[in-house]
Amino acid sequence: GAGVSQSPSNKVTEKGKDVELRCDPISGHTALYWYRQSLGQGLEFLIYFQGNSAPDKSGLPSDRFSAERTGGSVSTLTIQRTQQEDSAVYLCASSPLSGSEAFFGQGTRLTVV
Amino acid sequence: QKEVEQNSGPLSVPEGAIASLNCTYSDRGSQSFFWYRQYSGKSPELIMFIYSNGDKEDGRFTAQLNKASQYVSLLIRDSQPSDSATYLCAVNKGYGQNFVFGPGTRLSVLP
Repeated sequence: GAGVSQSPSNKVTEKGKDVELRCDPISGHTALYWYRQSLGQGLEFLIYFQGNSAPDKSGLPSDRFSAERTGGSVSTLTIQRTQQEDSAVYLCASSPLSGSEAFFGQGTRLTVV
Repeated sequence: QKEVEQNSGPLSVPEGAIASLNCTYSDRGSQSFFWYRQYSGKSPELIMFIYSNGDKEDGRFTAQLNKASQYVSLLIRDSQPSDSATYLCAVNKGYGQNFVFGPGTRLSVLP
């Protein structure tokens, strides 16, 4: 596709359930980033993938959060045993090269009830 | 000290005026600088990026970078009500690094 694609657009889940969020980066982009944005807040870095290098997981808030990127393309962010404080918009971005301009998907709005 | 700082605003300017948005960063090793616009309920949209000291112009937008002062700004000429949004400054330290975003400045252009 032409841009970064994220699915689902909206997700409502019960507390304690696991969720998977998907990101399809722009074709050919080697760098992929996950951020989250709580209501009225700034962007919080979660994890970053660059090519085949080990991901930078320094932003993951707890061990309930994990992410993988298969074949250097699609990425999945998994949140286990969701909590209400996980409610936020999860944003994925990709860039053609590490450090160059990044383009965001439309985000996944996660609501934990 | 936060890595990237911006005035939260709101910054209000009349239609047709120049809006000036400012950003400071703490890491002198930062190499690339970006401005994103975010409308309410939408994801950030890239407006401009700048890598070298000086000015870079694109239409009504001018990005200015001063690495010695660790300062980057965005000027919006002939501001329009449609420019009303939150503007995010982002900094990247280079290859293998993630982006660090400022908290954003809310701009309101009054008709």
